[in-house]
Amino acid sequence: GQNIDQPTEMTATEGAIVQINCTYQTSGFNGLFWYQQHAGEAPTFLSYNVLDGLEEKGRFSSFLSRSKGYSYLLLKELQMKDSASYLCAVRDSPSGTYKYIFGTGTRLKVLA
Amino acid sequence: DAMVIQNPRYQVTQFGKPVTLSCSQTLNHNVMYWYQQKSSQAPKLLFHYYDKDFNNEADTPDNFQSRRPNTSFCFLDIRSPGLGDAAMYLCATSSGTSDYEQYFGPGTRLTVT
Repeated sequence: GQNIDQPTEMTATEGAIVQINCTYQTSGFNGLFWYQQHAGEAPTFLSYNVLDGLEEKGRFSSFLSRSKGYSYLLLKELQMKDSASYLCAVRDSPSGTYKYIFGTGTRLKVLA
Repeated sequence: DAMVIQNPRYQVTQFGKPVTLSCSQTLNHNVMYWYQQKSSQAPKLLFHYYDKDFNNEADTPDNFQSRRPNTSFCFLDIRSPGLGDAAMYLCATSSGTSDYEQYFGPGTRLTVT
């Protein structure tokens, strides 16, 4: 079956670092994506990993271990505007179906 | 700016009254997707097109249909909306080749009365 797991909620303080974990089991794998979604808005792309290791983009970094079916999103120097849901998604492309499977998202609250 | 556009942003329909949501893109992407997202849930893929090839998810109700008359436009038709169909409907695109990222439209929030 297809399964993506993330914690439901996390809380952190402004200026701190937070790590959001994601584990996945999918029939195919062609990349793992992190999206940010503010309430009532569409998801916006944050990062993409297809090979093992760390990808860094400013305050955001994402890590992937394909053998463990595991990824994390690291947010540094947290700001109030980072309060949002963070969605982990796997591009599952057996036979070129180009499907993306989403986790339920992790709701992050940043406190002053 | 190249983008994914959804109209309308908010749609109210009556129980059982057909409704059509529209999506257009200026990215010239091969793949277009429709997702349904309910509060605090993951986006749920309803169907997607690779060019004109239609791919329906096994658990997408028959009540939901889609049309893609050309590369730029894709429509979601809900033939007889029920109260349970109230949700945010997200349209997304991807190139299907070199660019792996999905680009989302702003969504249409559907209310069923």
